[in-house]
Amino acid sequence: ETGVTQTPRHLVMGMTNKKSLKCEQHLGHNAMYWYKQSAKKPLELMFVYSLEERVENNSVPSRFSPECPNSSHLFLHLHTLQPEDSALYLCASSQEGAAGANVLTFGAGSRLTVL
Amino acid sequence: RKEVEQDPGPFNVPEGATVAFNCTYSNSASQSFFWYRQDCRKEPKLLMSVYSSGNEDGRFTAQLNRASQYISLLIRDSKLSDSATYLCVVNIPGGSGYALNFGKGTSLLVTP
Repeated sequence: ETGVTQTPRHLVMGMTNKKSLKCEQHLGHNAMYWYKQSAKKPLELMFVYSLEERVENNSVPSRFSPECPNSSHLFLHLHTLQPEDSALYLCASSQEGAAGANVLTFGAGSRLTVL
Repeated sequence: RKEVEQDPGPFNVPEGATVAFNCTYSNSASQSFFWYRQDCRKEPKLLMSVYSSGNEDGRFTAQLNRASQYISLLIRDSKLSDSATYLCVVNIPGGSGYALNFGKGTSLLVTP
């Protein structure tokens, strides 16, 4: 595996379900991100973890709960979502503290549909 | 005023044409600037960083105008494979240093 991999690629869930999105980066990067991409809107930053510590929480509702067990893995736990949460959820990683800081490598995304 | 503004397009150009996109940003303290490319139903990928003195990568040229707070991307000799959405990205100064503002993107369609 190379780059940033996300699973599942597609997820359909009801509003009462609990599910999780998984992201794994194979680049040796030290920061990982969750972004939300909705139609006709710019990418919205949700969370950032640097060295497994959360450094950004961009006013995201508590029904989204991130987890970063180590520098290579990032999860987004979902519960009691709303239909307006349907979107493409993109994971990204970067190597901070070096040349090329703020340069993101994205995964292919998890397309979420909430019924 | 939006943080990062781009003309959504679409820009429809014939193969071989030269096309330019502009992007304006609102925070004068921003220091890092990028162009990303996103193909339909795919993830964004870094096209190029934008440096103060301007920079070129093959057919692509990026320029930064700090006084007017805009960034441009010039594509020469357009190829069919250049068809994509081009995202302007600017860092948000202060805070954790990790936050970036993305524009909505400019859609380019290169036709035969």
